[in-house]
Amino acid sequence: VDLMESGGGVVQPGGSLRLSCVASGFNFKYSWMSWVRQAPGRGLEWVANIKHDGSETYYLASVQGRFSISRDNAQNSLYLQLNSLTPEDTGVYYCAKDLAFAYYLDSWGQGAQVSVS
Amino acid sequence: QSVLTQPPSVSGAPGQRVVISCTGSSSNIGAGYDVHWYQQLPGSAPKLLIYGNNNRPSGVPDRFSGSKSGSSASLAITGLQDEDEADYYCQSYDSSLSGYVFGTGTKVTAL
Repeated sequence: VDLMESGGGVVQPGGSLRLSCVASGFNFKYSWMSWVRQAPGRGLEWVANIKHDGSETYYLASVQGRFSISRDNAQNSLYLQLNSLTPEDTGVYYCAKDLAFAYYLDSWGQGAQVSVS
Repeated sequence: QSVLTQPPSVSGAPGQRVVISCTGSSSNIGAGYDVHWYQQLPGSAPKLLIYGNNNRPSGVPDRFSGSKSGSSASLAITGLQDEDEADYYCQSYDSSLSGYVFGTGTKVTAL
């Protein structure tokens, strides 16, 4: 399993960013996927997840309405659209393979850095 | 904000046994949801260490073990090694938040 995030960067408050995650080594089209973030020097925080066919999505309350998770199974890709960013959204964003039937994350990418300032 | 509570740090001499606690509530661990553990080495991404309370993925040494009771869980490292120095996080599902929740994290130090 390999997960590779991209699209991170520096953005001003109120700005937008789109993160991507390319997956390989497993049947992406049959897997739930999640995004998890980690603020500098802080712990892990689950952000959102999406069902294998994209028909169901779930979000952390503090990002609901600002962030949008999506996927393109033909491209083995997962996305996270981040809008109305605040400094509190700063951190490393990880994509992870989600075993939703058992509520855990069994493989993680290396992360993409998002800085809002 | 973290819903599951862990001690900020634990330490032990190499070869000793250390235990990390994870305390939840009636909407997560106490509701019967399983607890999972992740290891995050310095500068690296998290890695699944224990799933389903007490199961080790392939490749995880058997010195790592997990348990769950009531609204709490624990991770034990029996025979602490220098390479075990890392941050450890518990994780479960919370029905009132409708999402995954992580512990506050515990830094393990080999003295």
